[in-house]
Amino acid sequence: GAVVSQHPSWVICKSGTSVKIECRSLDFQATTMFWYRQFPKQSLMLMATSNEGSKATYEQGVEKDKFLINHASLTLSTLTVTSAHPEDSSFYICSVAGRGFEGAPQETQYFGPGTRLLVL
Amino acid sequence: SQQGEEDPQALSIQEGENATMNCSYKTSINNLQWYRQNSGRGLVHLILIRSNEREKHSGRLRVTLDTSKKSSSLLITASRAADTASYFCAIVAAGNKLTFGGGTRVLVKP
Repeated sequence: GAVVSQHPSWVICKSGTSVKIECRSLDFQATTMFWYRQFPKQSLMLMATSNEGSKATYEQGVEKDKFLINHASLTLSTLTVTSAHPEDSSFYICSVAGRGFEGAPQETQYFGPGTRLLVL
Repeated sequence: SQQGEEDPQALSIQEGENATMNCSYKTSINNLQWYRQNSGRGLVHLILIRSNEREKHSGRLRVTLDTSKKSSSLLITASRAADTASYFCAIVAAGNKLTFGGGTRVLVKP
């Protein structure tokens, strides 16, 4: 399947600062990228869906001014957590979707390894 | 809520035994997918089963889907210690948006 990377893998920051997380699709043209957050021992919650070159679609309850998403190319999407607070501490995971790899259903999403954010 | 509900929440078995977990949902779906997540890592896609399919196999994995009962099951046969992970079902009702269930934490003891 597709290789997806995230950077950084973990970050610790002070309350009030902004943090940018990158999601890169290394061998796959990702027409759509998804951002999820996951609290400890809980499921993944979709935050937003972004299509290359257009504005992201945010899920209900997710503040778009708080979580800025940019999907500038078919291989890169960024999530910026603005003015981070301790309650933003979480595990953020991206996934990519596009034309499926040979043998894989087109609906398959490929996930990055996640970024753990801790806001002090 | 469209979210899948998984049962059990946690499962502990001995190596070599089979592990079965179930997923129930509330809406009509296009497909249902199962993923595995090792602790603190990303998700790995296991199997996708479409709404017109009833059963799929992949290696030691067997997935069933009963759309009349709005439920799916994942069976891992002859489990190994390396199968220790959390397993999530996710439904796709429209487009390609995944809605995840709460997950089943599986511990396979050597």
